[in-house]
Amino acid sequence: DQQVKQNSPSLSVQEGRISILNCDYTNSMFDYFLWYKKYPAEGPTFLISISSIKDKNEDGRFTVFLNKSAKHLSLHIVPSQPGDSAVYFCAASDRGNTPLVFGKGTRLSVIA
Amino acid sequence: DAGVTQSPTHLIKTRGQQVTLRCSPKSGHDTVSWYQQALGQGPQFIFQYYEEEERQRGNFPDRFSGHQFPNYSSELNVNALLLGDSALYLCASSLGLAGGSTGELFFGEGSRLTVL
Repeated sequence: DQQVKQNSPSLSVQEGRISILNCDYTNSMFDYFLWYKKYPAEGPTFLISISSIKDKNEDGRFTVFLNKSAKHLSLHIVPSQPGDSAVYFCAASDRGNTPLVFGKGTRLSVIA
Repeated sequence: DAGVTQSPTHLIKTRGQQVTLRCSPKSGHDTVSWYQQALGQGPQFIFQYYEEEERQRGNFPDRFSGHQFPNYSSELNVNALLLGDSALYLCASSLGLAGGSTGELFFGEGSRLTVL
């Protein structure tokens, strides 16, 4: 029973273009959503988050959009850079009550 | 400011053996969570320690146990190893229990366990 789903195992984007990573969730109790980025041989690092009271959160080149009715969120990276090549994990929680539940990740490759 | 440190980074064990993994949290953090990341999967929550007690536990058998010490460092023990226990074990620290749910999780590089 996967509560957080990232249906695209990989994504390839040209440098300078937009990268869009998608995530779906099934648990309606989730009210806090996060994206983590992982490079090989490193632990995941926090990238950006969004609370269910918002539908958009922006931080520099990174924007997360939340569609609660569709139980869907997406991460937009504009413009994409080769250093963005990594595995991106979507995670969710019932804020303060449950530990983070992670998706399987999407491997982003930004081609120069 | 030291981040989360884990040891060992790699280890190989055989079926039936026992393993202990260690974690020192980021300076100032008091809560430690352990995650298992199998190949091609996302991190799965094992358990969380705060004030030297297990506070939450994921869907893992009793073969997985842990401990937190007064200095907030933590150990993960796995008994009677199975081939399926081969994975990257990630330790994450946070400040307070809620920090583990709100993104304020800092991960270590992980301990890669191979069971033969």
